[in-house]
Amino acid sequence: DTGVSQDPRHKITKRGQNVTFRCDPISEHNRLYWYRQTLGQGPEFLTYFQNEAQLEKSRLLSDRFSAERPKGSFSTLEIQRTEQGDSAMYLCASSSGTGEGNEQFFGPGTRLTVL
Amino acid sequence: DQQVKQNSPSLSVQEGRISILNCDYTNSMFDYFLWYKKYPAEGPTFLISISSIKDKNEDGRFTVFLNKSAKHLSLHIVPSQPGDSAVYFCAASAWAGNQFYFGTGTSLTVIP
Repeated sequence: DTGVSQDPRHKITKRGQNVTFRCDPISEHNRLYWYRQTLGQGPEFLTYFQNEAQLEKSRLLSDRFSAERPKGSFSTLEIQRTEQGDSAMYLCASSSGTGEGNEQFFGPGTRLTVL
Repeated sequence: DQQVKQNSPSLSVQEGRISILNCDYTNSMFDYFLWYKKYPAEGPTFLISISSIKDKNEDGRFTVFLNKSAKHLSLHIVPSQPGDSAVYFCAASAWAGNQFYFGTGTSLTVIP
């Protein structure tokens, strides 16, 4: 299967702990995106990479959040000192370009629950 | 500020009839629009897109209409099938942009 994969699918943690999620994009895609989705809302943009460069970050991405894509392939999203408000579905997507044809292909998401 | 709005949280349609899902946007810089479909416990799946140079795009049973002056787009599904039951998200971006703005979704139920 050459789709976007995310690991883990579910994560339960206690408030104050650090968590890290991984995303493996479609191999030929050079663009990678992280989104957060809470109940009753659509996905909200967090950050975007083109190859290994992080080119855009949302104001939603507080200092406790950091994302990396060290070799321009897989990406990690780390949340430090988790808070209950961080509970959400974290979605990763990848694409090959911009404009028409820039459909983003999403992974299944990582559901985070902070107790 | 919600730049993409889907004002109907849910819609029920009989199998075989037409489903019409609506989406409004506020940012006049948006010129590329997409519809995604989402089943529970899965990520959104791309369905169909339209750029601002067109006012209609068809793909099988799915047609998207764009009214730029009204800043409104709609997704028509004809005929509707039970397997179409899912949450549908509208998304928009500027041509050169990388950030997609999503609506809050419409949950479609197709009744057999």
